[in-house]
Amino acid sequence: SQKIEQNSEALNIQEGKTATLTCNYTNYSPAYLQWYRQDPGRGPVFLLLIRENEKEKRKERLKVTFDTTLKQSLFHITASQPADSATYLCALEADSWGKFQFGAGTQVVVTP
Amino acid sequence: DVKVTQSSRYLVKRTGEKVFLECVQDMDHENMFWYRQDPGLGLRLIYFSYDVKMKEKGDIPEGYSVSREKKERFSLILESASTNQTSMYLCASRTERASSTDTQYFGPGTRLTVL
Repeated sequence: SQKIEQNSEALNIQEGKTATLTCNYTNYSPAYLQWYRQDPGRGPVFLLLIRENEKEKRKERLKVTFDTTLKQSLFHITASQPADSATYLCALEADSWGKFQFGAGTQVVVTP
Repeated sequence: DVKVTQSSRYLVKRTGEKVFLECVQDMDHENMFWYRQDPGLGLRLIYFSYDVKMKEKGDIPEGYSVSREKKERFSLILESASTNQTSMYLCASRTERASSTDTQYFGPGTRLTVL
């Protein structure tokens, strides 16, 4: 069956350190993968998109990698700040157009 | 600034009631989506629409229907609400298929409780 998995345990990290989140998928061949941020009680907000032919993508303090052989994407928050505390979701468009699949998300807690 | 709005942030209904959740986007997007989000399960796609009057089932359409009479508005209907439909409902939109890698823009969500 098709699955997209993220670490379910919250990631507690000290301010200034790098947070690394993992997104693994099985039985998909996505052309791209997206990462979203979600704050409590609010809708997800798009952060980054990485295509299958890209190894790495950066946006400010965020970095995403995509390994289609391992079927894995890593999401890094460098120099983390308390304002980065949120849940981060990965998403891919399944083989049928429009059918997005989301991971359950990983909560990140950055403490001063 | 792009905007997706949902008719209610919180809604409490009784079992058996017909429930309408409304979503409006102001970005002239062709594609609109309805998800529900439950702890530990993430977002699950209920229905999506790629154009006016067009709809496709997502992964969990049972117990739901949708309506898209105008481009900017996408409604989710619970024909006879049940307690297992208590959830956070999220609407999203994105631009057309030609730019299919574009992001989805989400509304703030409606937290529905069915008693």
